[in-house]
Amino acid sequence: QSALTQPRSVSGSPGQSVTISCTGTSSDVGGYDYVSWYQQHPGKAPKLIIYDVTKRPSGVPDRFSGSKSGSTASLTISGLQAEDETDYYCSSFAGGYTWVFGGGTKLTVL
Amino acid sequence: QVQLVQSGAEVKEPGASVKVSCKASGYTFTNYYIHWVRQAPGQGLEWMGIMNPSGSTTGYAQKFQGRVTMTSDTSASTVYMELSNLRPEDTAVYYCARAVEMATQGAGYWGQGALVAVSS
Repeated sequence: QSALTQPRSVSGSPGQSVTISCTGTSSDVGGYDYVSWYQQHPGKAPKLIIYDVTKRPSGVPDRFSGSKSGSTASLTISGLQAEDETDYYCSSFAGGYTWVFGGGTKLTVL
Repeated sequence: QVQLVQSGAEVKEPGASVKVSCKASGYTFTNYYIHWVRQAPGQGLEWMGIMNPSGSTTGYAQKFQGRVTMTSDTSASTVYMELSNLRPEDTAVYYCARAVEMATQGAGYWGQGALVAVSS
């Protein structure tokens, strides 16, 4: 159960789009369409923003979107806003009632 | 509305055990799986395990096998996570989180977190 691989940091200017990748294996990301993405502001509990690869919970802006190709999932944030600057984590079902998280990505809005 | 309220901060000595509680309200307790996730200071999220509050199913991360036990009290709508043989590196905020709908989906509702500090 190795952690999924995310870039440590990404950045973009307001109004632009950024994409955060999440690379796993055929035993997790590549094997199931059960990838989730979380946004976490400092000192706060994580917030679910994408589940089942592409679905958005109620209340999450459509600026956030998810996709997957093979063993790599991606989170795209379009129309970047200052409040998007924080940490993002991916997670995947890994079979047998186990899950795994990515190491996290810090998004900087320039 | 769905709420998960966790127990308070704890300070433990190395080798001790800690039991963190997570009281659920606003939904049918036994219908949704609960995840436990921890976050060490300045570090990322780490998945620890999952349980069906009816008690029928649990799954633990390999790293914690033999040290973690997840249980529930349906009469109190509360789930518990007990971690034994604590080490300083177990110092972290421990979160409980409820699945969106199916167990395979993400954790859509989170508790406020419980800080566990391990120090001699």
